[in-house]
Amino acid sequence: DTGVSQDPRHKITKRGQNVTFRCDPISEHNRLYWYRQTLGQGPEFLTYFQNEAQLEKSRLLSDRFSAERPKGSFSTLEIQRTEQGDSAMYLCASSTAGGRSYEQYFGPGTRLTVT
Amino acid sequence: DAKTTQPNSMESNEEEPVHLPCNHSTISGTDYIHWYRQLPSQGPEYVIHGLTSNVNNRMASLAIAEDRKSSTLILHRATLRDAAVYYCIPIKYNFNKFYFGSGTKLNVKP
Repeated sequence: DTGVSQDPRHKITKRGQNVTFRCDPISEHNRLYWYRQTLGQGPEFLTYFQNEAQLEKSRLLSDRFSAERPKGSFSTLEIQRTEQGDSAMYLCASSTAGGRSYEQYFGPGTRLTVT
Repeated sequence: DAKTTQPNSMESNEEEPVHLPCNHSTISGTDYIHWYRQLPSQGPEYVIHGLTSNVNNRMASLAIAEDRKSSTLILHRATLRDAAVYYCIPIKYNFNKFYFGSGTKLNVKP
């Protein structure tokens, strides 16, 4: 297993465009998380899934953001009508739901730049 | 969720021990104390966690104050590879919505 992967690693887009990011978790992990990280700050929780069910969304997540995890495997995060304030690193993590659920494994992130 | 206070930055010499403090005075009795670290240009990685007793693993030790309002992550012999931002995260068991805060940036000098 190669760990959590994210695609693309970098994305530059113009304000107003839609973007979609993909996350492939570790195969036996049924929990998947999305975070956003801006420069000099720690990661900020956005949402998480257990299998295909989206169990929680941050109040900071505007309605321009949507995440899916069809079939409980990979996940996508879409940002519609991007704004310059959306520029950040988007991190995905996965974990089991059992005894070691406290250990989240993070991917390398997708860096989004909105011009 | 409990709020945490960590120094913005610390510096250590290679091969020396490092003690990274964290104050979490509003921690509840059911909150575990997790530590994660983030190496440059990487996602965070799990370091250690504990509830009340001190904990050791191959990466570090975690010393938890008796009143649980503070904890200290101990790296016994810092290496250059330990240069990272270290986050202290109190969280309830099986409640996995982590709030990272700003963490402590550790610089290790050769």
